[in-house]
Amino acid sequence: DAMVIQNPRYQVTQFGKPVTLSCSQTLNHNVMYWYQQKSSQAPKLLFHYYDKDFNNEADTPDNFQSRRPNTSFCFLDIRSPGLGDAAMYLCATSRGNSGSDEQYFGPGTRLTVT
Amino acid sequence: GQNIDQPTEMTATEGAIVQINCTYQTSGFNGLFWYQQHAGEAPTFLSYNVLDGLEEKGRFSSFLSRSKGYSYLLLKELQMKDSASYLCAVKNSNYQLIWGAGTKLIIKP
Repeated sequence: DAMVIQNPRYQVTQFGKPVTLSCSQTLNHNVMYWYQQKSSQAPKLLFHYYDKDFNNEADTPDNFQSRRPNTSFCFLDIRSPGLGDAAMYLCATSRGNSGSDEQYFGPGTRLTVT
Repeated sequence: GQNIDQPTEMTATEGAIVQINCTYQTSGFNGLFWYQQHAGEAPTFLSYNVLDGLEEKGRFSSFLSRSKGYSYLLLKELQMKDSASYLCAVKNSNYQLIWGAGTKLIIKP
């Protein structure tokens, strides 16, 4: 089945210790997104790639970086995690950016910062 | 600013019907999505509306009025597995997806 895969599902890191979350897709979609979602809040878009074009949201902290080495994979790097970065991180993909292009989500990685 | 408003929480009875409302103010409009999100899981797509009117999909229907900036999601014949959060999201003129915080739906036997 075509899908969006995220690893790991649960990640524990120490305050200030760099961490990388990964996402892969078998849908061959052009666009990949990273969202941060805290409990009972809307998903917050951090950045997205349209093919190799990187689009950073204006309010995404510099502490968050992303890489997309090929169509299938996308990584989220948190350089120095703080306690406020504990959240669910969702990767999503879409075929394109037009109105009807829905986003397909992976199962998420729950990040705990100790 | 841009915002999406939904009730925070609703309660309904198994077998009944519930309507979850969403109002939006965005810079332009290129469609409205409803997603279902079970606790601790990722959102899954339910429906897309871009024209005014009702779209029916099995037990779920979604309605849109662009002139009123209003949508609702109607769930019929409620089942316990429908207990989840329901998120409304709108694509604006830049094709950015603006998300609501979601409505937590609690189903009681």
